[in-house]
Amino acid sequence: DTGVSQDPRHKITKRGQNVTFRCDPISEHNRLYWYRQTLGQGPEFLTYFQNEAQLEKSRLLSDRFSAERPKGSFSTLEIQRTEQGDSAMYLCASSSGFLQVKARSYNSPLHFGNGTRLTVT
Amino acid sequence: AQTVTQSQPEMSVQEAETVTLSCTYDTSESDYYLFWYKQPPSRQMILVIRQEAYKQQNATENRFSVNFQKAAKSFSLKISDSQLGDAAMYFCAYRSASPSGTYKYIFGTGTRLKVLA
Repeated sequence: DTGVSQDPRHKITKRGQNVTFRCDPISEHNRLYWYRQTLGQGPEFLTYFQNEAQLEKSRLLSDRFSAERPKGSFSTLEIQRTEQGDSAMYLCASSSGFLQVKARSYNSPLHFGNGTRLTVT
Repeated sequence: AQTVTQSQPEMSVQEAETVTLSCTYDTSESDYYLFWYKQPPSRQMILVIRQEAYKQQNATENRFSVNFQKAAKSFSLKISDSQLGDAAMYFCAYRSASPSGTYKYIFGTGTRLKVLA
């Protein structure tokens, strides 16, 4: 278990530029989540995948944000035409989930990466 | 929509003492999970403890225990024998357990815990 890894750790970009972040989840985990966290706040949900399918996307997420998880392995989060308000820590997390007996939805705990800190100047 | 509220932005505790962090949530679902996550400064978030709503018994993990009051929709975290390494942001989180529910986790705004030597 090598944990969830995110790349890069830090990204500084100018307003209007595009940025892409990568997340490599724990290999046996089928669910992958992206969250955004600003200073002093809790993680804010962006989107999640089960295998390669993007099952939910936050309504707060503008069309400038897109995420993919090709082949159900690593995931990328792209922000187009960055704005200063996009400056935040972007967290990736993974877990494994399935339906238990009696149809309860089981989920192993979330394992978080170290995050990518984005600064838009 | 579900919400999670942590009304204590910051708490302090003396080393070796006990502290309780509060969390309330709102949901119309009957089956769900509740979690406490810890985020040390500049380090990754890790799970502290988790509670399944159908279980009446409060979860415990060594020095960490919860007081789960389902009717009151309250989920507090008690840290006993506080240690300097407990200093961190603590986040309460909710996730549906319904097979037709969403799999997303909803987090509160966090409580910063300071441990005084």
